[in-house]
Amino acid sequence: AQSVTQLGSHVSVSEGALVLLRCNYSSSVPPYLFWYVQYPNQGLQLLLKYTSAATLVKGINGFEAEFKKSETSFHLTKPSAHMSDAAEYFCAVSDTSVSGYSTLTFGKGTMLLVSP
Amino acid sequence: KAGVTQTPRYLIKTRGQQVTLSCSPISGHRSVSWYQQTPGQGLQFLFEYFSETQRNKGNFPGRFSGRQFSNSRSEMNVSTLELGDSALYLCASSPVGRVTDEKLFFGSGTQLSVL
Repeated sequence: AQSVTQLGSHVSVSEGALVLLRCNYSSSVPPYLFWYVQYPNQGLQLLLKYTSAATLVKGINGFEAEFKKSETSFHLTKPSAHMSDAAEYFCAVSDTSVSGYSTLTFGKGTMLLVSP
Repeated sequence: KAGVTQTPRYLIKTRGQQVTLSCSPISGHRSVSWYQQTPGQGLQFLFEYFSETQRNKGNFPGRFSGRQFSNSRSEMNVSTLELGDSALYLCASSPVGRVTDEKLFFGSGTQLSVL
C-alpha cells in the first residue's frame, strides 16, 4: 500500500513570506500525487495533481508543487502567503486496492497559519 | 450545478446507538466515497460505491456499512457507536471514480459526536 508523510502538523508564516509544506510519499509504482486544501467548516478542494506529465505542477491560488523522484517528495510552495491561505493542507497519493480500483491515501494534514 | 450535499451537518449520539449519514453527489456522478477525518489520524478511506455496488473498502470494522441508491445518493451507517467514532465524515463524488483522471468533489461533512 502507498503512504504519505507530511512533515509538520502546523506551519506558521507571515503574510508575504514563502510557504513551504512538505510531503514525502512511499509508492512501489509511479505515483499520482495530489494536494488538497480544506478551509474551516468546508470539504476538501483540489489544489493540484501530478500525473507524470511534468515534474513542476501549477495549481490554483498561486500554489505549485515539484515532484522529485530521487527524494520521493512532492512539496507544496507559494512565493507569497496571503491571509486567505490559512487552511489545512493534505497531500495524497493514489492507491490501487486488491479489487483493482484506486482510492486516495491522505497524509495527516498540515495546518497553515498566516500572521499579518 | 449543486455541489455534494451531506446531511445532517451535526449529530450528537450516545454510545451504543446507531447513526445514518446521507450524501447526495453532484448530478451525473456515479461514484461516491466516504472518509473519516479525525485530528489524530487525518482522513481515512471507508468505502466507495459505484452504480449501487461497493467497489472498495477501507480497513474499518463491520459496524461501518454503506449503500448507494439508484439515483447515486449514498448513506453510511455506524452501529453500536463508540466514543472513538467521533469524527467528521466526508463524502466525495466523481463521475466514475477514476481518481487518477477525475477530480473528487467533497461535501462539507457531517460532524458526529459520540457521548
